[in-house]
Amino acid sequence: AQSVSQHNHHVILSEAASLELGCNYSYGGTVNLFWYVQYPGQHLQLLLKYFSGDPLVKGIKGFEAEFIKSKFSFNLRKPSVQWSDTAEYFCAVMPDSNYQLIWGAGTKLIIKP
Amino acid sequence: KAGVTQTPRYLIKTRGQQVTLSCSPISGHRSVSWYQQTPGQGLQFLFEYFSETQRNKGNFPGRFSGRQFSNSRSEMNVSTLELGDSALYLCASSPGTGGKDEQFFGPGTRLTVL
Repeated sequence: AQSVSQHNHHVILSEAASLELGCNYSYGGTVNLFWYVQYPGQHLQLLLKYFSGDPLVKGIKGFEAEFIKSKFSFNLRKPSVQWSDTAEYFCAVMPDSNYQLIWGAGTKLIIKP
Repeated sequence: KAGVTQTPRYLIKTRGQQVTLSCSPISGHRSVSWYQQTPGQGLQFLFEYFSETQRNKGNFPGRFSGRQFSNSRSEMNVSTLELGDSALYLCASSPGTGGKDEQFFGPGTRLTVL
């Protein structure tokens, strides 16, 4: 069965620390990859996406992610986090064969000011 | 451009009742997807509609159903409510042209089943 695994459920960092959130998926075919963010009290919104081409993609607010096909991974990174990055982050995968987003469990990120 | 809207925002029902939730997509979007979000199970795909047809369905019992109207507005219905149906129900819309579409999410409907 297709699945998405996010390695950490809770992450606490200080401002200016570097961030890396892991995401691995299990699916043998072509996939489209997404990171969504849910700020407290707000809607889910797209951070970045990967469909094809350069495996290093840049998103909003200084986030980037790298697709490593051999590892079935799509890790999210940010060199220096801010207090406003406190949110829940979701990795999601959509196989090219259907329109169903498969979600990871989410990572709650808390940034200490 | 107005975002995805969902009504009502909050609902309280009792076991055995049924409920209908509504979603209005972004203008021009033809695809509407529904998700259930719970602390225990996370985000789970319910179904996706495109041009009034259910195009994809997740692994939920038949008590969960939906439909889409010609103006792309969508409703989902849950019959014979169970306590475990308490969740945040999210609707997302996209142009519907393919898997590369970004999905835009609404604020959700918080359903509490007592």
